[in-house]
Amino acid sequence: GQQVMQIPQYQHVQEGEDFTTYCNSSTTLSNIQWYKQRPGGHPVFLIQLVKSGEVKKQKRLTFQFGEAKKNSSLHITATQTTDVGTYFCAGRVTGGGNKLTFGTGTQLKVEL
Amino acid sequence: GAVVSQHPSWVICKSGTSVKIECRSLDFQATTMFWYRQFPKQSLMLMATSNEGSKATYEQGVEKDKFLINHASLTLSTLTVTSAHPEDSSFYICSATRGTGSYEQYFGPGTRLTVT
Repeated sequence: GQQVMQIPQYQHVQEGEDFTTYCNSSTTLSNIQWYKQRPGGHPVFLIQLVKSGEVKKQKRLTFQFGEAKKNSSLHITATQTTDVGTYFCAGRVTGGGNKLTFGTGTQLKVEL
Repeated sequence: GAVVSQHPSWVICKSGTSVKIECRSLDFQATTMFWYRQFPKQSLMLMATSNEGSKATYEQGVEKDKFLINHASLTLSTLTVTSAHPEDSSFYICSATRGTGSYEQYFGPGTRLTVT
């Protein structure tokens, strides 16, 4: 079945450092979404990427969708303590309806 | 807008009993709801997709007779864990989408189930 892996599994940074999480799917995706889950909370939608090679920015967050539509990345510039949480990518395949396959997640910790 | 609630937020039950978890979309009609299971520090595993008025579609490996899903209205889906066992202890989260063409999933706060 479809698998979506993320690396790294954990990342510990000092506040102000940059952070990147990478997402790789075993199958080609029709689109990919990113979610953030704070400790003890539930996933919250961040963004969706649809086009091959697409790049979107949200303030300090930059999202990319690979040319082959099998990988994606999330980059945070100058992390802040409010960025703490687990970041999940979630992919949708053509013909899969609204069903998402979530990645393994990257847990980010930010120290002052 | 787009608030999803779950009830209860946590529940403890004895082995062999059944537990019902409710998922409600409070301010929108949800044509599709999803049920996930999440173990500590792990990802969300999709259990089933639920469409209003039709039978749920279960993912491979999920026992449909054990995890009963009912989507009786456009704002309510229920998950019943039947004859619960300690290995069913987990965090169960539902999500909902608004409708055709809508891609964002709105997640409920989750239900922590502990089976003793």
